[in-house]
Amino acid sequence: DVKVTQSSRYLVKRTGEKVFLECVQDMDHENMFWYRQDPGLGLRLIYFSYDVKMKEKGDIPEGYSVSREKKERFSLILESASTNQTSMYLCASSLGDRVTSPLHFGNGTRLTVT
Amino acid sequence: GQNIDQPTEMTATEGAIVQINCTYQTSGFNGLFWYQQHAGEAPTFLSYNVLDGLEEKGRFSSFLSRSKGYSYLLLKELQMKDSASYLCAVRDSNYQLIWGAGTKLIIKP
Repeated sequence: DVKVTQSSRYLVKRTGEKVFLECVQDMDHENMFWYRQDPGLGLRLIYFSYDVKMKEKGDIPEGYSVSREKKERFSLILESASTNQTSMYLCASSLGDRVTSPLHFGNGTRLTVT
Repeated sequence: GQNIDQPTEMTATEGAIVQINCTYQTSGFNGLFWYQQHAGEAPTFLSYNVLDGLEEKGRFSSFLSRSKGYSYLLLKELQMKDSASYLCAVRDSNYQLIWGAGTKLIIKP
């Protein structure tokens, strides 16, 4: 089974802090994604990557950046955390076939910014 | 704009059948996915439809009508463990997934 591991389940940070969310997958998947999930809204794509050192903006990239130095690891960075970034963050990965391959998700990081 | 609609919440009885609908308006269509998400857990993949018709997988079936922009997930012989949110997602012409807000399914004994 594919395993996608997110480094923290719960995180509490202060406004203005730089925050790192780490994600590692163990199935040699080419594609990796960062989403946030908020009540009453569908998953919203922040950034994605189809290859090492490659990144593309999703629908809501403002205030975020990413890093993919190794194939298995995709990091999300909140440059200066704000309260409106309090959310559940989900990392996902998939095989190279961008059409039919389903996403495999990590268990999420619930981030609270105070 | 792109839009996926699903009911916010549904309630059903253990042992019964429930149908969760999903309607979509997207820029192009490259398949529709259903995911299950238990509270506090990761979404897990249930089904993928790209052609019209019904796909059956055990107690779960998924139907697609591309001309109507419509899909449903059918759950039979409901069990308490089926209490979860069910997420519908459509892959658009840019191969991005557009997600519905999810349907919370409550199963009562």
